[in-house]
Formats: sequence, C-alpha cells, structure tokens
Amino acid sequence: EIVLTQSPVTLSLSPGERATLSCRASQSVSSYLAWFQQKPGQAPRLLIYDASNRATGIPARFSGSGSGTEFTLSISSLEPEDFAVYYCQQRSTWPLTFGGGTKVEIK
Amino acid sequence: EVQLVESGGGLVQPGGSLRLSCAASGFTFSSYSMNWVRQAPGKGLEWVSYISSSSDTTYYADSVKGRFTISRDNAKNSLYLQMSRLRAEDTAVYYCARDSGVGSFQGWFDPWGQGTLVTVSS
Repeated sequence: EIVLTQSPVTLSLSPGERATLSCRASQSVSSYLAWFQQKPGQAPRLLIYDASNRATGIPARFSGSGSGTEFTLSISSLEPEDFAVYYCQQRSTWPLTFGGGTKVEIK
Repeated sequence: EVQLVESGGGLVQPGGSLRLSCAASGFTFSSYSMNWVRQAPGKGLEWVSYISSSSDTTYYADSVKGRFTISRDNAKNSLYLQMSRLRAEDTAVYYCARDSGVGSFQGWFDPWGQGTLVTVSS
C-alpha cells in the first residue's frame, strides 16, 4: 500500500497570503496524484488531478506540481473561502489511498 | 446537474448488517465507474470500494474485504454497499463518489454525494 504523508498538519495563514502544502508518497506514483478540499460538514471537492490539472470550475489561484514521490499544492493568495482541510490521493496502485490531510486555518 | 444521494445509514449493533444506497442523476450512470469512500468522525478519508461501469471489476480495501460487497443496478441508476459483520471501527460517514472518467477508469473522485452516517455501537 502506498502511504501518502502530508505536511504540515496545520498551516496558519492570513487572507491574501500564499499557501504551500506538501504530499510525499512512500513510492513513486508518477503523476497520478489528486488534491481535494473539504470544508466542515461538506463532502470533499476535487481541485487538482494528474498532479497539475485543475478540475472544472476551480479558480486559477490553485495550482499543483510534482511527480514521482514529491507533490505540492499552492494557493497563490488565500481567499476567506479557502480555509479548509486539503487531502492528496493517489491512483497509481490499488488500494487507492489518501494522505492524512492539512488544515489551512486563519491566523 | 450531477447528483449523488446516499441513504441507508443508521445505528447498528456490532456484528450486524446494513445496506447503503446511492441514487445517481444528471449523468449517464452506466458509463462511469463508482466508489465508496468513508470518513470516521474527526478523521481523514479512506477509500472503501470500487466497481466498474459494467460491474465486471470490483476492488476493496483490506479493512472491509470479505465483509462488504459493492454492487450497482444501471437500470435503476443506483449504487449499493452491503455491509456485514460490522465493527465499531466501521463507524463513519460513507460517501459515494463517481470516477471522473467516462467509459474508462481515471481514479479521481468527482463528484461526491453528501454522505450517510453509519454508527456501529451497542
């Protein structure tokens, strides 16, 4: 099973600041990595797939990069609605697995 | 509008059984693979099971293998999860999620339903 490790666990930032979230895989997943956003009481929403492709309707301030075992989700300038929990997920190998999540909170 | 609506959750005793349903609308259900993903209270996401569009391929997480069965009825636009021998650690919100690829596996969950809560407790 591929283990995805996300860091930091919590990121405290102010609106307008840049957020950088990390996801590390225990073995190569090529570019088969996605990012999801989850707000309290809501289902997750797909943001990024194939490491760097934005899903339909996702604002351009969200970007993904990386390949192999190291991946990054960047939010260029945090909007109030961006404070949430973010998960990475790999589809390279069964079972499909998620990282433990990074909470982006208001500083 | 694409919609996924789960139902069937509730309180069940350890060792008991429960069947979850997911009603799909707004897209050609028979063209997409589907998944169940769960989230224990206050915890992260865990993929549970996958079924291909024609039901010829299924996968399960080790934690549920042999106890859960995924199925679908394309004529009814519905996805199911039959859960048996339930344990306390199966307590979670269960989401159904569509695979993002039409006609072929992509492995991304998009969109998700709102979830249904399963509580396993005596």
